[in-house]
Amino acid sequence: AQSVAQPEDQVNVAEGNPLTVKCTYSVSGNPYLFWYVQYPNRGLQFLLKYITGDNLVKGSYGFEAEFNKSQTSFHLKKPSALVSDSALYFCAVRDKDNAGNMLTFGGGTRLMVKP
Amino acid sequence: DSGVTQTPKHLITATGQRVTLRCSPRSGDLSVYWYQQSLDQGLQFLIQYYNGEERAKGNILERFSAQQFPDLHSELNLSSLELGDSALYFCASRDRDTQYFGPGTRLTVL
Repeated sequence: AQSVAQPEDQVNVAEGNPLTVKCTYSVSGNPYLFWYVQYPNRGLQFLLKYITGDNLVKGSYGFEAEFNKSQTSFHLKKPSALVSDSALYFCAVRDKDNAGNMLTFGGGTRLMVKP
Repeated sequence: DSGVTQTPKHLITATGQRVTLRCSPRSGDLSVYWYQQSLDQGLQFLIQYYNGEERAKGNILERFSAQQFPDLHSELNLSSLELGDSALYFCASRDRDTQYFGPGTRLTVL
């Protein structure tokens, strides 16, 4: 079984400050990890993924995430937050050997960036 | 724009009714996934099709069914609707390791 935890329902940060949205996961094998963002009344937009290789992954809109195998974490980061980053962020995982490739999502974290 | 299209955008219906949600994957993608997003259950995987064949099933109710047609579009059929079926229904198609999501269909059951 695979699972994802996003321990914070909401993260508040001031514009220009760095942001971190936390994610921990559990899979039986090697993980494939993803971050998606959902703006109001919109679908999920793919931000970035970790499949293999470098533990620091860079994605869209200046976001990056760090894979930490020992802590089973995949935290999303951005050096300088923008008000337009305010949205709902989802971390997702699938087991590399999961034939169906279906994703298991965390509960989501609402990011609020204040001017 | 992900390239995945879903219709309709909104659907309002009554309990006991049946509805059909439609999804067209990105050009070239053979896989279609259906997910349900609700306030109490979060985002849950329902079912996956690959090139017309059912590949995997998640937490899909027996009242729900899906199919994928030869042109690769997919339909999710929801019947005997209950108030608790009100949710946002997403489909996604997969390119290698990444799933790309459509804009969703918001279903409201009154």
